[in-house]
Amino acid sequence: DAKTTQPNSMESNEEEPVHLPCNHSTISGTDYIHWYRQLPSQGPEYVIHGLTSNVNNRMASLAIAEDRKSSTLILHRATLRDAAVYYCILRDERVTFGGGTRLMVKP
Amino acid sequence: GAGVSQTPSNKVTEKGKYVELRCDPISGHTALYWYRQSLGQGPEFLIYFQGTGAADDSGLPNDRFFAVRPEGSVSTLKIQRTERGDSAVYLCASSLNEGGGQYFGPGTRLTVT
Repeated sequence: DAKTTQPNSMESNEEEPVHLPCNHSTISGTDYIHWYRQLPSQGPEYVIHGLTSNVNNRMASLAIAEDRKSSTLILHRATLRDAAVYYCILRDERVTFGGGTRLMVKP
Repeated sequence: GAGVSQTPSNKVTEKGKYVELRCDPISGHTALYWYRQSLGQGPEFLIYFQGTGAADDSGLPNDRFFAVRPEGSVSTLKIQRTERGDSAVYLCASSLNEGGGQYFGPGTRLTVT
């Protein structure tokens, strides 16, 4: 299975941008890069996905390196409700979640 | 529209019993996934359906676990002879197609005593 590497945890201040990195050096040409987040006691929530080009939606932006071996999820203005575990995964038919990054947001 | 729903939300059962967990995906989503999640871990893939057929069941831990999706919509995860190690949150997700974003249900918390 393709694998991703993320920092275990990150901290941010409220109302500041957050850049969550993900390395996926073994990505194949057909793997989509997906991001999910999971708030305490809830199921994971889809955030964004992309293949090659950078993507924007109402929740976040996804910046994908030109060689596709890494990507960055960008939260433009962190709020306390963004505190969650963020998972970066490579999407082929099945999905393998790693440990994710626990984002802590300080007021 | 309605999201993915799972029933029951909580299930407590005795070791050795049989349990069924149900998942109602988003209407029109052809792909359906089952995961389980232990405390402090990321979700662990169990099985993936495309339509009625299991496209990948390589994540099922052993033959006590089985899942069906007979009409390509609702799915049931069945666990026979439950063991204490089966205790976890069982998550279901659906997606419009194989490559799209997955939408998760709230999960069923299974406790085997």
